[in-house]
Amino acid sequence: EAGVVQSPRYKIIEKKQPVAFWCNPISGHNTLYWYLQNLGQGPELLIRYENEEAVDDSQLPKDRFSAERLKGVDSTLKIQPAELGDSAVYLCASSSTGGIRETQYFGPGTRLLVL
Amino acid sequence: AQSVTQLGSHVSVSEGALVLLRCNYSSSVPPYLFWYVQYPNQGLQLLLKYTSAATLVKGINGFEAEFKKSETSFHLTKPSAHMSDAAEYFCAVTGGYNKLIFGAGTRLAVHP
Repeated sequence: EAGVVQSPRYKIIEKKQPVAFWCNPISGHNTLYWYLQNLGQGPELLIRYENEEAVDDSQLPKDRFSAERLKGVDSTLKIQPAELGDSAVYLCASSSTGGIRETQYFGPGTRLLVL
Repeated sequence: AQSVTQLGSHVSVSEGALVLLRCNYSSSVPPYLFWYVQYPNQGLQLLLKYTSAATLVKGINGFEAEFKKSETSFHLTKPSAHMSDAAEYFCAVTGGYNKLIFGAGTRLAVHP
């Protein structure tokens, strides 16, 4: 069974440029998560989807970040414009449901460097 | 609110020695607790999880953790370290909300 797929794996951009990350969850998983992992820290949730609906986006900086999960499968996370402080790893995870006992399966992440 | 504290950002052990990674949690509701491992340039992989069944939880790669409510702890152990165990380890808690709250991580180094 394929795991969570993310692309690109690495991205280098100039500040103020836009950037987008893509995630394909494990087949059949209804719940999808985007996490931000700063260097030397644990991941922090940005947004959680149940199918197409964003049910927890309280930590998403909505002035520059946006996300979508059309058709309840793939998801895209966008930053526009990027700032120096956005340099981090962006992790996507999925679980079969959003239950609190459910295991979340993580992708390899996209490492973003903003210059 | 839920939170996790991992004591020791770096732990170094000899190959064959006991591994002990410490995790203390705070939760206003009965917690569910997880340990994840992250190898360089990879995503997080679940080692084990506590979901209110047995307090001693066995995971993959010979790791286990014991839930101690009185100490609000969920420490991760392995009797004998292997070089391949070198990685970063994250403890996480869920509680009243359907999201994982991670600790800052502990980087484990294993030397010959």
